[in-house]
Amino acid sequence: GQQLNQSPQSMFIQEGEDVSMNCTSSSIFNTWLWYKQDPGEGPVLLIALYKAGELTSNGRLTAQFGITRKDSFLNISASIPSDVGIYFCEGNAGNMLTFGGGTRLMVKP
Amino acid sequence: NAGVTQTPKFQVLKTGQSMTLQCAQDMNHNSMYWYRQDPGMGLRLIYYSASEGTTDKGEVPNGYNVSRLNKREFSLRLESAAPSQTSVYFCASTVTGQSTQPQHFGDGTRLSIL
Repeated sequence: GQQLNQSPQSMFIQEGEDVSMNCTSSSIFNTWLWYKQDPGEGPVLLIALYKAGELTSNGRLTAQFGITRKDSFLNISASIPSDVGIYFCEGNAGNMLTFGGGTRLMVKP
Repeated sequence: NAGVTQTPKFQVLKTGQSMTLQCAQDMNHNSMYWYRQDPGMGLRLIYYSASEGTTDKGEVPNGYNVSRLNKREFSLRLESAAPSQTSVYFCASTVTGQSTQPQHFGDGTRLSIL
């Protein structure tokens, strides 16, 4: 199946720092989605990207759909303790839904 | 405002036992999915149902069966549980099975097989 490489696998940062994570693939996707999973809960959608080159913000979060359609990144500015969790990218192509391995974010107050 | 509801939340089984994980959504979504989540491996699709009456295999279907009981409910069955099936299982739904639709997830079922 299609593979999504998500990096980094984990990050331990100081409160107030900016965060960047990305997903790359050898396959082309039509849609990129970013989710956050809090402990003990299911993933919740943060941002959806539908066009190559699209740059979308949601509060302190910004995500971009790569021009090649093979990658996407998510940035979090001025991190706060409640940003802690696991962030997943999802790439969609037709009926194929593929998730990255997740980025575990830890924020030190 | 329930969204996607999974039961049970936790379960411990012995090797060889059978079990059905239940999932129901109240959003009138057509498509439903079952995933397993293992450390460092993201979410892997087990089975999905694009619409009521249809089911298809995902990436890791071996050892599982599913039933789309009606539009609301999509169950996952382990006929003979194995330790390798210890995982967190998530059910999700979307309006349609089109690639543009984000998924709505339940809170997961944590399954341990001894």
